[in-house]
Amino acid sequence: GAVVSQHPSWVICKSGTSVKIECRSLDFQATTMFWYRQFPKQSLMLMATSNEGSKATYEQGVEKDKFLINHASLTLSTLTVTSAHPEDSSFYICSARLGGLQETQYFGPGTRLLVL
Amino acid sequence: GENVEQHPSTLSVQEGDSAVIKCTYSDSASNYFPWYKQELGKRPQLIIDIRSNVGEKKDQRIAVTLNKTAKHFSLHITETQPEDSAVYFCAAILTGGGNKLTFGTGTQLKVEL
Repeated sequence: GAVVSQHPSWVICKSGTSVKIECRSLDFQATTMFWYRQFPKQSLMLMATSNEGSKATYEQGVEKDKFLINHASLTLSTLTVTSAHPEDSSFYICSARLGGLQETQYFGPGTRLLVL
Repeated sequence: GENVEQHPSTLSVQEGDSAVIKCTYSDSASNYFPWYKQELGKRPQLIIDIRSNVGEKKDQRIAVTLNKTAKHFSLHITETQPEDSAVYFCAAILTGGGNKLTFGTGTQLKVEL
């Protein structure tokens, strides 16, 4: 149980285009999902907390107009990288929490973004 | 906010030896401490976790200890095997405070034959 999927797993795009990444909880409902970014040989850095039916909460230094997050249902959150630039190239990972008092976060397989 | 430090950044052990990774956290109110294993290019996998009302937890070759007074917790892997080679991250969370995980900087563990 507690499986999280992400799509796509790999994306290559031209500078200036927008890229949408989907995060789904397959066998449970997730009221809260999290989006992380991980650069090579670095730790996971939280970008934002996505709550179903409300606006996402962004971490300091993360531009909300550049990284659009939508959590329209209890099983789906999307991250859109708008006007992507080479410096946005990274490994983007989502996680989902079961809810209530459950602290455990289950991670998706990640999406590797390469902006040319 | 929470700050988590992790040491060492790299660790090389011989197969069969033990490996210990240590983390310290800053927020004394943090109450949940998971450990994740991440293989290259893959998702972090939860391997063990501990809550603040417990001092030690063990699962086969893996154990975690927590010292709330000193605000540090450690991962212990015994009888290491080559498949244990990966990057390990500790994390801390303050439940009720948005449940945001703060990760350590990671430890690259290499188990040599």
